[in-house]
Amino acid sequence: DTAVSQTPKYLVTQMGNDKSIKCEQNLGHDTMYWYKQDSKKFLKIMFSYNNKELIINETVPNRFSPKSPDKAHLNLHINSLELGDSAVYFCATSTSSRTDTQYFGPGTRLTVL
Amino acid sequence: QQQVKQSPQSLIVQKGGISIINCAYENTAFDYFPWYQQFPGKGPALLIAIRPDVSEKKEGRFTISFNKSAKQFSLHIMDSQPGDSATYFCAATMYSSASKIIFGSGTRLSIRP
Repeated sequence: DTAVSQTPKYLVTQMGNDKSIKCEQNLGHDTMYWYKQDSKKFLKIMFSYNNKELIINETVPNRFSPKSPDKAHLNLHINSLELGDSAVYFCATSTSSRTDTQYFGPGTRLTVL
Repeated sequence: QQQVKQSPQSLIVQKGGISIINCAYENTAFDYFPWYQQFPGKGPALLIAIRPDVSEKKEGRFTISFNKSAKQFSLHIMDSQPGDSATYFCAATMYSSASKIIFGSGTRLSIRP
């Protein structure tokens, strides 16, 4: 049983397209996150949801829109993809406590051509 | 103020040696410092964490040393093994930050057999 799963694992698309990445967790956690890891391995938080409510929204272009249909799912929709969006996107989950472990998914490698 | 500075960027250590990764921060509001380990093609995973009220925490071959006055902390890996080859991220979080973790820039560790 995979605790945090993401689909797809790889995504190759053309500039200007719209794409979505899905995340599902079976840990029963109420907080979920999206991180972006660039080619230099730098890891930066993008969004965080707690019980379907957006609680962290970093300086991210509004082409990126997270959606949490329920506590176990957090999807990331990206409009009008740009070359600079190429990165690995990680979903993570934790309990509400900020000092609890964040459990990361396997990542989605997005390549924009 | 919100940064965590990590060094070195990459590190090569002989099998059996000690690997040392250093981190520094400015914001004294940070009060919880986790370290994450990331293998190629995988998401980061919590390795060990420390609060600033202790100067050292040890778990097996992994030790965090914490110097609150200098605002520095470091990860020591004793008897380094080829299986320890991974990217290591120090991180920090603070009470007012909801669940936000600030990650260092990462250290790519290679253990030579």
